[in-house]
Amino acid sequence: GQNIDQPTEMTATEGAIVQINCTYQTSGFNGLFWYQQHAGEAPTFLSYNVLDGLEEKGRFSSFLSRSKGYSYLLLKELQMKDSASYLCACMDSNYQLIWGAGTKLIIKP
Amino acid sequence: DADVTQTPRNRITKTGKRIMLECSQTKGHDRMYWYRQDPGLGLRLIYYSFDVKDINKGEISDGYSVSRQAQAKFSLSLESAIPNQTALYFCATRSGTGDTGELFFGEGSRLTVL
Repeated sequence: GQNIDQPTEMTATEGAIVQINCTYQTSGFNGLFWYQQHAGEAPTFLSYNVLDGLEEKGRFSSFLSRSKGYSYLLLKELQMKDSASYLCACMDSNYQLIWGAGTKLIIKP
Repeated sequence: DADVTQTPRNRITKTGKRIMLECSQTKGHDRMYWYRQDPGLGLRLIYYSFDVKDINKGEISDGYSVSRQAQAKFSLSLESAIPNQTALYFCATRSGTGDTGELFFGEGSRLTVL
């Protein structure tokens, strides 16, 4: 079956760095997305990886290893506004998105 | 104004009632989607549409129906609501120029079925 695993909750300190991991098993692979979702709001796009390696976008970076079925989202210089859920989603061979349950990130002062 | 607009934003209804959630978009995208989100679960696809004449079932379509009235409008109906359909519902759009484009979500419709 298809499955996306990510930690349920993580806690980090303002100004620090946090890495949110995502492992996946899907029928085929056409890329991996990361979305941010603040409580009660819509998910918003953060990144898309389809090739192995690191994609950097400001304070946020996303890494993909297709051979390991693994990705991570790296958040640097954490700010209180980064408190949110982070959703990992893989696109399978039919271009359908399979979503993880999300990782709730709590930032403490 | 939001690019993807959902109405109503919140709705409380009773078991057996018919409910319609509406979605409209100004992004000019061909592809539209309805998802539901439940605590502890990932987003689950209910229905999706690639154009007005193309409607497809997602992984959890039972108990739901949809209508694509125009390129910009995609409605989700619960013909006879039941309590386990209590959830947060999201409409989303994607450009039809690529299968791997990002999704743009509406603000969500929180439905409670008593």
